[in-house]
Amino acid sequence: GENVEQHPSTLSVQEGDSAVIKCTYSDSASNYFPWYKQELGKGPQLIIDIRSNVGEKKDQRIAVTLNKTAKHFSLHITETQPEDSAVYFCAASSSYGKLTFGQGTILTVHP
Amino acid sequence: KAGVTQTPRYLIKTRGQQVTLSCSPISGHRSVSWYQQTPGQGLQFLFEYFSETQRNKGNFPGRFSGRQFSNSRSEMNVSTLELGDSALYLCASSLHPPGDEKLFFGSGTQLSVL
Repeated sequence: GENVEQHPSTLSVQEGDSAVIKCTYSDSASNYFPWYKQELGKGPQLIIDIRSNVGEKKDQRIAVTLNKTAKHFSLHITETQPEDSAVYFCAASSSYGKLTFGQGTILTVHP
Repeated sequence: KAGVTQTPRYLIKTRGQQVTLSCSPISGHRSVSWYQQTPGQGLQFLFEYFSETQRNKGNFPGRFSGRQFSNSRSEMNVSTLELGDSALYLCASSLHPPGDEKLFFGSGTQLSVL
């Protein structure tokens, strides 16, 4: 089955800096790669996703890149703000397959 | 539009007991997935239902079971509770089977086994 590795497990940055979280996956059939943000006491919420026919996608301060050959994808957050502090999860799946999540990254943005 | 509702929010049980958790998906969503979240293991997939049929199952023992009703509401049951079952149990719904669909998560049920 699919295996998703996520790094780093914790990330601390200063407000205004950029943050990068990286994930690798094992199943070459995977074609959907979402990123979820989980705030304290809440369930995860989708913040951005990318499909295998696209190499990069941006939404304001966040972007995701995908390298299908190397089987890795990354989340980039620019101009970080304290409200970006949360746990971030990457995930991978194939169509109608189950979604497999990474272990999560605790991001802390210091004012 | 109401979000995914999970009840109860908190639950305390003792070893050997059983527990039933409930999930009401977003109106119109026919797929419900369950995940176990622990600090060390992240989000582990339990099972997924679509139109009352279990489509996928994770690597959990048979003590973990679930079902989905005709109104798409879902329940999961854990029998003979063990200390290691203490976790946050999350339910997520989607319009279609979740392979490449956006999942909407509830806030979870925090289960503590003493």
